[in-house]
Amino acid sequence: EAQVTQNPRYLITVTGKKLTVTCSQNMNHEYMSWYRQDPGLGLRQIYYSMNVEVTDKGDVPEGYKVSRKEKRNFPLILESPSPNQTSLYFCASRLLASSTDTQYFGPGTRLTVL
Amino acid sequence: DAKTTQPPSMDCAEGRAANLPCNHSTISGNEYVYWYRQIHSQGPQYIIHGLKNNETNEMASLIITEDRKSSTLILPHATLRDTAVYYCIVMTGNQFYFGTGTSLTVIP
Repeated sequence: EAQVTQNPRYLITVTGKKLTVTCSQNMNHEYMSWYRQDPGLGLRQIYYSMNVEVTDKGDVPEGYKVSRKEKRNFPLILESPSPNQTSLYFCASRLLASSTDTQYFGPGTRLTVL
Repeated sequence: DAKTTQPPSMDCAEGRAANLPCNHSTISGNEYVYWYRQIHSQGPQYIIHGLKNNETNEMASLIITEDRKSSTLILPHATLRDTAVYYCIVMTGNQFYFGTGTSLTVIP
């Protein structure tokens, strides 16, 4: 089954404790992206990657890092989480040069930083 | 600054057409308009996208004004399962800018 998976789905942590949220897709998509969703603000793009070893900042990259060492994986790293990073996070992938140009979203990771 | 503006909520009677407006008055000539929807807190689901011409697929139609400053998503025969938050999105380069969405409630 074609899908985007994220782990963990729920995470409660404390300020300053480094964490990684993993994202994996099995569709051989070149493009992958991370979003955060906060009440009243819709989804905002954090980082995106056009292919292996190519990453770019989105609208709200501060406090986050990403890496793209393999095509299927795009982890999101919070080196020193703060309470304002409490949010619902979505990973997505997309096949470039596709007629439908659809982004496929993962199920989401709900992060709480105390 | 928001690239898209949408009404926060709308109701639609079951079986009728739902017309969801979006304003994107600052859109540039090479920026696409996308529509996605989100049910509860699940991952958003693609509906349709376009650049200049009107588009139609099995889910919906997208009407883009000639000046490209606004668009309307049309769900031709709304069902209860269409109750969701609908996002109008502008893609510039390869960045996606979501609006704050319209919460559509389909009423029996």
